[in-house]
Amino acid sequence: SAVISQKPSRDICQRGTSLTIQCQVDSQVTMMFWYRQQPGQSLTLIATANQGSEATYESGFVIDKFPISRPNLTFSTLTVSNMSPEDSSIYLCSVEAHEGTEAFFGQGTRLTVV
Amino acid sequence: GENVEQHPSTLSVQEGDSAVIKCTYSDSASNYFPWYKQELGKRPQLIIDIRSNVGEKKDQRIAVTLNKTAKHFSLHITETQPEDSAVYFCAASIPGTASKLTFGTGTRLQVTL
Repeated sequence: SAVISQKPSRDICQRGTSLTIQCQVDSQVTMMFWYRQQPGQSLTLIATANQGSEATYESGFVIDKFPISRPNLTFSTLTVSNMSPEDSSIYLCSVEAHEGTEAFFGQGTRLTVV
Repeated sequence: GENVEQHPSTLSVQEGDSAVIKCTYSDSASNYFPWYKQELGKRPQLIIDIRSNVGEKKDQRIAVTLNKTAKHFSLHITETQPEDSAVYFCAASIPGTASKLTFGTGTRLQVTL
């Protein structure tokens, strides 16, 4: 299994500001993903973080709002830009340690926008 | 894209009874079907998964069945215990992207004494 450290674990932010969430893995992984879990809801995939190239976004998510970096095989960041109360959610990173294997999740970042 | 439906949204059972959660998927190319358990305030944890070349898989009190023709799969928990109380999510993915998951809407399971 992979050990995933996600920071911060929670934050309260003012609307209009941005927050960057970090995801660090204890080993090199093939795939990294970012999910959003709105209050009381299921998980929705935001994007695939590609190492060395631009992230691949799912329908309904755009780079200007959720810029993602992945400078190496163990680290990724997700920024939530120009936040509004509707962005209040839990954001989770997920990794696939080896191709075709199960997904592991970070502990999540609980974001509240006021 | 893939669409995964999950039923029921809430399920209450007495301790010792069985619980069954059902999911259907839309993309016939999907070949990996994990189930996650999420306790309040915690991350989703994989409890069991099944691939499309298998019809059933068991792990102690938990089993998953898959019907590829009908495009549905189910989670079965026997001899439920209070610690089984959580939200359960089914998910599906297509070949080559086992971790790129489409999740069901979740089932809140409550096991009562």
